[in-house]
Amino acid sequence: GNSVTQMEGPVTLSEEAFLTINCTYTATGYPSLFWYVQYPGEGLQLLLKATKADDKGSNKGFEATYRKETTSFHLEKGSVQVSDSAVYFCALSGADSNYQLIWGAGTKLIIKP
Amino acid sequence: EAGVAQSPRYKIIEKRQSVAFWCNPISGHATLYWYQQILGQGPKLLIQFQNNGVVDDSQLPKDRFSAERLKGVDSTLKIQPAKLEDSAVYLCASSPDGREDQPQHFGDGTRLSIL
Repeated sequence: GNSVTQMEGPVTLSEEAFLTINCTYTATGYPSLFWYVQYPGEGLQLLLKATKADDKGSNKGFEATYRKETTSFHLEKGSVQVSDSAVYFCALSGADSNYQLIWGAGTKLIIKP
Repeated sequence: EAGVAQSPRYKIIEKRQSVAFWCNPISGHATLYWYQQILGQGPKLLIQFQNNGVVDDSQLPKDRFSAERLKGVDSTLKIQPAKLEDSAVYLCASSPDGREDQPQHFGDGTRLSIL
């Protein structure tokens, strides 16, 4: 069945550091891929998405590229801020999961000033 | 556009009591989801509605959980009786029609604590 694997957290970085959070997936066909972010005490917000191979999703300085050959969708940001501290979830949606979101376990990001 | 509204934000009850959560999705969204999120984990889908019909409730513990979406708009999720392991955040989400490329829009959730 479909699955999503994320790097374990917490990830702790200093402000202005480069961020990568790894995400790999297992799915048949061509699922859509998403990154959601959850700030403390809040619900999940869509950060970015990509719906086909080689698509790049971007938002708020974050980027992720849909890599079919490596089944990956790694999240990157060139210079993180304290306000980026949150939990980040990678997810996929595909036909063989009835278009329901299959979630990774989440990666907690802590940015120190 | 107004987002997904959920209430209450917090609820504390004793085990074996009952509790209900309410969700109003984004206007015009046909698909509504209820998730359970235990601390430190990703969301777990409990039930998915398409308009007022159930698409998937395979992970809903039907001996104690129930959900309805009368008139295909807002929805309620009920737990009766509650157990200690039900302590979690209950998230409601909606999307226009559940297609795979459509993101789900989430409410802020209801944090449930069982004493």
